[in-house]
Amino acid sequence: AQSVTQLDSQVPVFEEAPVELRCNYSSSVSVYLFWYVQYPNQGLQLLLKYLSGSTLVESINGFEAEFNKSKTSFHLRKPSVHISDTAEYFCAVSDGGNKLSFGAGTTVTVRA
Amino acid sequence: DTGVSQDPRHKITKRGQNVTFRCDPISEHNRLYWYRQTLGQGPEFLTYFQNEAQLEKSRLLSDRFSAERPKGSFSTLEIQRTEQGDSAMYLCASSTGTGYNEQFFGPGTRLTVL
Repeated sequence: AQSVTQLDSQVPVFEEAPVELRCNYSSSVSVYLFWYVQYPNQGLQLLLKYLSGSTLVESINGFEAEFNKSKTSFHLRKPSVHISDTAEYFCAVSDGGNKLSFGAGTTVTVRA
Repeated sequence: DTGVSQDPRHKITKRGQNVTFRCDPISEHNRLYWYRQTLGQGPEFLTYFQNEAQLEKSRLLSDRFSAERPKGSFSTLEIQRTEQGDSAMYLCASSTGTGYNEQFFGPGTRLTVL
C-alpha cells in the first residue's frame, strides 16, 4: 500500500517569490509520482509526473519537482510565483496499478 | 474530445433521499474511476471499471453505494439513503489503462446532504 504526506496545509507567498511544497511518500514497491493542481471550482489537472529516468521533472508553467528515492520525497518548487498560481496542489502516488493515493493537499495563496 | 464530463455539477438533497451521478469519460478510454473528496482532504479512491467490469472497490464504498458502467462507456454512481457524512465532491477520472495509466479528471459533482 502507498501513502502520501504533504507537510504543509497552507502556504501564503508573495508574488514573484519562490515557493516549495513538500511531499513525502511511503511504498513498498517502485512508484510513479504526480503533482496535480486544482483551481477553485475546477477538477484536478496534472501538473507534472515522475515515471523514471531523470529525477528532476518540469512543467510548462515553471514548476519543477525532484524525486529523491533515499528520502522518499517529491517536493514541488517554483522560483517565482504569479497570482494565477493560487490554487490547491495535491501530491499523488501510484504503483502503476489502478488507483492514485493522494495527499491532503496544500493551499497556495499568492498575494500581490 | 471534450474531456471527462460529470453531471450534475451540484446536488443538494435531504437526508434519506437517493441520488445518482453520471460520468462520461474520454471516448477511447477503457478505464473509469470514482473518487471522493471531502473538505480539506485529498481525493480517496472508491472504485474503478475496466470497460463494463467493476474490478476493484474500496472499503469506503458502503452497501448504500453502487456504481455501474453498463455499456463500457458512461458510468453512474448511486447513493441510497443519503447521510450528512456523504456530503463531498465526487470525482470521476478515465484512462487508457496502458503505459503509466495517466488519469484525466472531470470537474466533479458536489453533493450537499441537508
